[in-house]
Amino acid sequence: DTGVSQDPRHKITKRGQNVTFRCDPISEHNRLYWYRQTLGQGPEFLTYFQNEAQLEKSRLLSDRFSAERPKGSFSTLEIQRTEQGDSAMYLCASSLAGGDTQYFGPGTRLTVL
Amino acid sequence: GQQLNQSPQSMFIQEGEDVSMNCTSSSIFNTWLWYKQDPGEGPVLLIALYKAGELTSNGRLTAQFGITRKDSFLNISASIPSDVGIYFCAGQEAGANSKLTFGKGITLSVRP
Repeated sequence: DTGVSQDPRHKITKRGQNVTFRCDPISEHNRLYWYRQTLGQGPEFLTYFQNEAQLEKSRLLSDRFSAERPKGSFSTLEIQRTEQGDSAMYLCASSLAGGDTQYFGPGTRLTVL
Repeated sequence: GQQLNQSPQSMFIQEGEDVSMNCTSSSIFNTWLWYKQDPGEGPVLLIALYKAGELTSNGRLTAQFGITRKDSFLNISASIPSDVGIYFCAGQEAGANSKLTFGKGITLSVRP
């Protein structure tokens, strides 16, 4: 399977804990995006990378959130001191640079108790 | 922030019927994309549109990029039960540096 993959698919955590999610993009894609989706809503943009450079961050990305893409391949999204409001589906997408067509992974469903 | 408008929230059709959905915006978009999402899964790309007036088909699906660049529609012909799901429009605003803006989605139900 050469699509976007995400791990884990599901994560249940207690409020205050830190969590980290991983995304592996389509291999030749140098742009990688993170979105968050809550129930009944469409995905909302969080941040994106071109290669290892983080080029844009949404105001939705509070200082408890950090994303990295150290070698320009896979990316991680970490949430520190999770809150119940962080419960959502976290989606990763990738595209070619200059390409507007983004392909999504299956998502990581986070539940904060 | 910018939102794309999709309505109604839900549609119910009979198997074999055609269905049309549209998506509107108050600002100009350079790209329109249509995705389908099943419960617990990520959105799957159906059709991508890159030019005003463009009409593109993918099997039983047809989508058009509005001439004003502020709207798009998706048509599904001869619906089948596996068309059930949530259909999202998404677009890239002029000057938006790659991020996509999504509508809230339309949940399609197909009665056999």
